[in-house]
Amino acid sequence: ETGVTQSPTHLIKTRGQQVTLRCSSQSGHNTVSWYQQALGQGPQFIFQYYREEENGRGNFPPRFSGLQFPNYSSELNVNALELDDSALYLCASSSLDRGLSYEQYFGPGTRLTVT
Amino acid sequence: RKEVEQDPGPFNVPEGATVAFNCTYSNSASQSFFWYRQDCRKEPKLLMSVYSSGNEDGRFTAQLNRASQYISLLIRDSKLSDSATYLCVVNMAGGGADGLTFGKGTHLIIQP
Repeated sequence: ETGVTQSPTHLIKTRGQQVTLRCSSQSGHNTVSWYQQALGQGPQFIFQYYREEENGRGNFPPRFSGLQFPNYSSELNVNALELDDSALYLCASSSLDRGLSYEQYFGPGTRLTVT
Repeated sequence: RKEVEQDPGPFNVPEGATVAFNCTYSNSASQSFFWYRQDCRKEPKLLMSVYSSGNEDGRFTAQLNRASQYISLLIRDSKLSDSATYLCVVNMAGGGADGLTFGKGTHLIIQP
């Protein structure tokens, strides 16, 4: 096991609602990245948080936002949910301070269904 | 052109056989390369990092060819438990600020 945890495991929301997903990173890691994985696709990078600040962002609209806390845990918030937001949301934990190792370790994911 | 391309398969391979996958990437400035394994409805799990010199971990061998911008994974003596989707992953910039870029994955089925 990676030691990365996510909650909740499953969630059903209706279009237009807001959702908050949570992630606890692996001990010793200071970076959390969030990904969206639609069925049959590879994960798509949403954004990354490093030392409580956004450190990079993929091609996702501003209604996808996040936070990182002093203990390096993180939240992903999605406003004004759309049907296409239905996907598996993955967080990945890593450390940017350890040489050139950019290996990321994933949590089990939150499966979001928007109806 | 897609940033990371893989043959989606499925590859149907008899148990004990050797199977190889390739993956190509578009950004020549890419810094880090990985293979992840993903089982159905589970999270991706890091299988191995890929280094320029090539690396081996048991039955698995990964190679990187920077000149041709492709990465390969070789699985020897395949087991039933190797059945999964194999994701080719590239880190486009040093430091990881742009996140990992995933291919769509290659589906492998090992048959008894």
